[in-house]
Amino acid sequence: GQNIDQPTEMTATEGAIVQINCTYQTSGFNGLFWYQQHAGEAPTFLSYNVLDGLEEKGRFSSFLSRSKGYSYLLLKELQMKDSASYLCAVRRDSGGYNKLIFGAGTRLAVHP
Amino acid sequence: DGGITQSPKYLFRKEGQNVTLSCEQNLNHDAMYWYRQDPGQGLRLIYYSQIVNDFQKGDIAEGYSVSREKKESFPLTVTSAQKNPTAFYLCASSIDHRSGANVLTFGAGSRLTVL
Repeated sequence: GQNIDQPTEMTATEGAIVQINCTYQTSGFNGLFWYQQHAGEAPTFLSYNVLDGLEEKGRFSSFLSRSKGYSYLLLKELQMKDSASYLCAVRRDSGGYNKLIFGAGTRLAVHP
Repeated sequence: DGGITQSPKYLFRKEGQNVTLSCEQNLNHDAMYWYRQDPGQGLRLIYYSQIVNDFQKGDIAEGYSVSREKKESFPLTVTSAQKNPTAFYLCASSIDHRSGANVLTFGAGSRLTVL
Protein backbone atom coordinates (compact mmCIF):
# COMPACT_ATOMS: atom_id res chain seq x y z
CA GLY A 1 0.00 0.00 0.00
CA GLN A 2 0.94 3.63 0.22
CA ASN A 3 0.99 5.75 3.33
CA ILE A 4 2.22 9.22 4.20
CA ASP A 5 2.41 10.32 7.84
CA GLN A 6 3.11 13.76 9.20
CA PRO A 7 2.18 15.41 12.51
CA THR A 8 -1.23 17.08 12.55
CA GLU A 9 -0.22 20.25 14.36
CA MET A 10 2.90 22.02 15.58
CA THR A 11 3.57 25.30 17.33
CA ALA A 12 6.75 27.37 17.39
CA THR A 13 8.01 30.78 18.39
CA GLU A 14 8.84 33.63 16.05
CA GLY A 15 12.57 33.60 15.22
CA ALA A 16 13.01 29.93 16.15
CA ILE A 17 13.66 26.84 14.03
CA VAL A 18 11.09 24.11 13.43
CA GLN A 19 11.40 20.70 11.78
CA ILE A 20 8.35 19.05 10.23
CA ASN A 21 8.79 15.31 9.64
CA CYS A 22 7.20 13.13 6.98
CA THR A 23 7.43 9.35 6.70
CA TYR A 24 6.17 7.41 3.73
CA GLN A 25 5.70 3.89 2.45
CA THR A 26 5.24 3.46 -1.28
CA SER A 27 6.43 1.46 -4.23
CA GLY A 28 7.80 3.19 -7.33
CA PHE A 29 9.11 6.19 -5.36
CA ASN A 30 10.03 8.98 -7.76
CA GLY A 31 10.50 12.12 -5.68
CA LEU A 32 9.14 14.00 -2.66
CA PHE A 33 7.62 17.48 -2.58
CA TRP A 34 6.78 19.99 0.13
CA TYR A 35 4.01 22.53 -0.42
CA GLN A 36 2.85 25.40 1.79
CA GLN A 37 -0.86 26.18 2.06
CA HIS A 38 -2.35 29.16 3.89
CA ALA A 39 -5.93 28.65 5.05
CA GLY A 40 -8.41 28.79 2.17
CA GLU A 41 -5.69 29.38 -0.41
CA ALA A 42 -3.83 27.43 -3.07
CA PRO A 43 -0.86 25.24 -2.08
CA THR A 44 2.44 26.69 -3.29
CA PHE A 45 5.58 24.73 -4.09
CA LEU A 46 8.42 24.87 -1.56
CA SER A 47 10.90 22.10 -2.36
CA TYR A 48 11.61 18.89 -4.24
CA ASN A 49 13.95 16.01 -3.32
CA VAL A 50 14.62 12.97 -5.46
CA LEU A 51 18.10 12.03 -4.18
CA ASP A 52 19.20 11.55 -0.58
CA GLY A 53 20.45 14.63 1.20
CA LEU A 54 19.62 18.20 2.03
CA GLU A 55 18.27 20.82 -0.35
CA GLU A 56 18.56 24.37 0.94
CA LYS A 57 16.54 27.30 -0.33
CA GLY A 58 16.80 30.42 1.79
CA ARG A 59 15.10 29.95 5.17
CA PHE A 60 13.66 26.60 4.08
CA SER A 61 15.55 23.30 3.72
CA SER A 62 14.29 19.83 2.92
CA PHE A 63 15.98 16.50 3.63
CA LEU A 64 15.35 13.06 2.16
CA SER A 65 16.43 9.55 3.13
CA ARG A 66 15.02 7.08 0.62
CA SER A 67 16.22 4.01 2.54
CA LYS A 68 14.33 5.16 5.63
CA GLY A 69 11.27 6.52 3.80
CA TYR A 70 11.78 9.79 5.63
CA SER A 71 11.87 13.48 4.87
CA TYR A 72 11.81 16.67 6.88
CA LEU A 73 11.19 20.32 6.15
CA LEU A 74 13.29 22.72 8.22
CA LEU A 75 12.12 26.29 8.64
CA LYS A 76 14.61 28.77 10.11
CA GLU A 77 14.13 32.28 11.51
CA LEU A 78 10.40 31.71 11.74
CA GLN A 79 8.11 34.58 10.85
CA MET A 80 4.43 35.02 11.68
CA LYS A 81 3.60 34.63 7.97
CA ASP A 82 4.98 31.06 8.13
CA SER A 83 1.81 30.04 9.99
CA ALA A 84 0.26 27.68 7.44
CA SER A 85 -0.23 24.03 6.61
CA TYR A 86 2.74 22.16 5.16
CA LEU A 87 1.93 19.31 2.81
CA CYS A 88 4.29 16.41 2.15
CA ALA A 89 3.65 14.71 -1.20
CA VAL A 90 5.29 11.64 -2.68
CA ARG A 91 5.51 11.07 -6.42
CA ARG A 92 4.99 7.48 -7.44
CA ASP A 93 5.61 5.95 -10.84
CA SER A 94 2.37 4.13 -11.61
CA GLY A 95 2.39 2.42 -15.01
CA GLY A 96 4.28 5.24 -16.72
CA TYR A 97 2.22 7.94 -15.05
CA ASN A 98 3.75 9.97 -12.21
CA LYS A 99 1.09 10.04 -9.51
CA LEU A 100 1.35 12.50 -6.61
CA ILE A 101 0.11 11.28 -3.21
CA PHE A 102 -0.41 13.88 -0.51
CA GLY A 103 -0.19 13.59 3.25
CA ALA A 104 -2.88 15.21 5.40
CA GLY A 105 -0.64 18.20 6.13
CA THR A 106 0.89 19.71 9.26
CA ARG A 107 -0.69 22.90 10.62
CA LEU A 108 2.07 25.15 11.96
CA ALA A 109 1.20 28.01 14.30
CA VAL A 110 3.94 30.60 14.86
CA HIS A 111 3.42 32.80 17.91
CA PRO A 112 5.29 35.90 19.11
CA ASP B 1 0.64 37.12 -15.32
CA GLY B 2 0.35 33.37 -15.93
CA GLY B 3 -1.68 31.25 -13.59
CA ILE B 4 -4.74 29.17 -12.92
CA THR B 5 -8.17 30.67 -12.41
CA GLN B 6 -10.92 28.75 -10.66
CA SER B 7 -14.50 29.89 -10.43
CA PRO B 8 -16.68 30.27 -8.54
CA LYS B 9 -14.76 30.65 -5.27
CA TYR B 10 -17.83 29.71 -3.24
CA LEU B 11 -20.80 27.67 -4.44
CA PHE B 12 -23.91 26.38 -2.76
CA ARG B 13 -25.92 23.55 -4.22
CA LYS B 14 -29.12 21.80 -3.33
CA GLU B 15 -29.10 18.03 -3.11
CA GLY B 16 -29.83 16.40 -6.45
CA GLN B 17 -28.34 19.20 -8.55
CA ASN B 18 -25.31 18.97 -10.79
CA VAL B 19 -22.78 21.78 -10.59
CA THR B 20 -19.77 22.61 -12.78
CA LEU B 21 -16.55 24.14 -11.46
CA SER B 22 -14.44 26.07 -13.92
CA CYS B 23 -10.64 25.83 -14.25
CA GLU B 24 -8.66 27.86 -16.79
CA GLN B 25 -4.86 28.09 -17.15
CA ASN B 26 -2.69 30.32 -19.34
CA LEU B 27 0.59 28.59 -18.49
CA ASN B 28 0.62 26.49 -21.67
CA HIS B 29 0.73 23.37 -19.48
CA ASP B 30 -0.21 20.01 -21.00
CA ALA B 31 -1.31 18.28 -17.79
CA MET B 32 -4.22 19.33 -15.60
CA TYR B 33 -5.65 17.83 -12.40
CA TRP B 34 -8.58 18.05 -10.03
CA TYR B 35 -8.12 17.37 -6.32
CA ARG B 36 -10.53 17.32 -3.45
CA GLN B 37 -9.45 18.50 0.02
CA ASP B 38 -11.33 17.52 3.20
CA PRO B 39 -10.38 18.43 6.80
CA GLY B 40 -7.82 16.04 8.24
CA GLN B 41 -7.15 14.34 4.92
CA GLY B 42 -4.60 14.77 2.19
CA LEU B 43 -5.52 16.06 -1.24
CA ARG B 44 -7.19 13.26 -3.18
CA LEU B 45 -7.03 13.03 -6.96
CA ILE B 46 -10.38 13.04 -8.75
CA TYR B 47 -9.43 13.21 -12.44
CA TYR B 48 -6.37 14.13 -14.46
CA SER B 49 -5.66 14.96 -18.07
CA GLN B 50 -2.27 14.55 -19.69
CA ILE B 51 -3.23 16.19 -22.97
CA VAL B 52 -6.17 17.72 -24.81
CA ASN B 53 -9.07 15.35 -25.50
CA ASP B 54 -7.75 12.80 -23.04
CA PHE B 55 -8.42 12.27 -19.33
CA GLN B 56 -8.25 9.48 -16.77
CA LYS B 57 -9.94 8.68 -13.48
CA GLY B 58 -8.05 9.36 -10.29
CA ASP B 59 -8.63 7.72 -6.93
CA ILE B 60 -12.12 9.10 -6.21
CA ALA B 61 -13.75 9.68 -9.61
CA GLU B 62 -17.20 8.30 -8.75
CA GLY B 63 -19.86 10.99 -9.00
CA TYR B 64 -17.65 13.37 -10.98
CA SER B 65 -17.10 14.04 -14.69
CA VAL B 66 -14.64 16.18 -16.66
CA SER B 67 -13.86 17.28 -20.20
CA ARG B 68 -10.69 18.56 -21.87
CA GLU B 69 -11.75 20.09 -25.16
CA LYS B 70 -9.18 22.88 -24.97
CA LYS B 71 -5.65 22.91 -23.56
CA GLU B 72 -6.50 25.85 -21.31
CA SER B 73 -9.69 24.48 -19.78
CA PHE B 74 -10.52 21.50 -17.55
CA PRO B 75 -14.02 21.89 -16.03
CA LEU B 76 -15.23 19.52 -13.31
CA THR B 77 -18.88 18.56 -12.94
CA VAL B 78 -20.04 17.35 -9.53
CA THR B 79 -23.08 15.22 -10.23
CA SER B 80 -25.96 14.25 -8.00
CA ALA B 81 -24.38 10.79 -7.80
CA GLN B 82 -21.59 12.16 -5.60
CA LYS B 83 -22.75 11.22 -2.10
CA ASN B 84 -20.69 13.67 -0.09
CA PRO B 85 -19.82 16.61 -2.36
CA THR B 86 -19.23 19.31 0.29
CA ALA B 87 -15.48 19.99 0.07
CA PHE B 88 -12.74 22.32 -1.13
CA TYR B 89 -11.86 21.59 -4.77
CA LEU B 90 -8.43 22.42 -6.16
CA CYS B 91 -7.44 22.49 -9.81
CA ALA B 92 -3.77 22.21 -10.75
CA SER B 93 -1.59 22.04 -13.83
CA SER B 94 1.96 21.02 -14.71
CA ILE B 95 4.14 21.20 -17.80
CA ASP B 96 3.50 17.50 -18.29
CA HIS B 97 3.25 14.50 -16.01
CA ARG B 98 6.69 13.02 -16.72
CA SER B 99 9.37 15.68 -16.78
CA GLY B 100 11.76 16.39 -13.93
CA ALA B 101 10.26 17.82 -10.79
CA ASN B 102 6.85 18.19 -12.43
CA VAL B 103 5.83 20.95 -10.04
CA LEU B 104 2.10 21.50 -9.73
CA THR B 105 0.68 25.00 -9.94
CA PHE B 106 -2.62 25.24 -8.08
CA GLY B 107 -5.63 27.47 -8.48
CA ALA B 108 -7.12 29.27 -5.46
CA GLY B 109 -9.82 26.64 -5.05
CA SER B 110 -13.60 26.41 -5.09
CA ARG B 111 -15.51 25.68 -1.91
CA LEU B 112 -18.70 23.73 -2.60
CA THR B 113 -21.38 23.39 0.06
CA VAL B 114 -24.43 21.19 -0.39
CA LEU B 115 -27.46 22.44 1.49
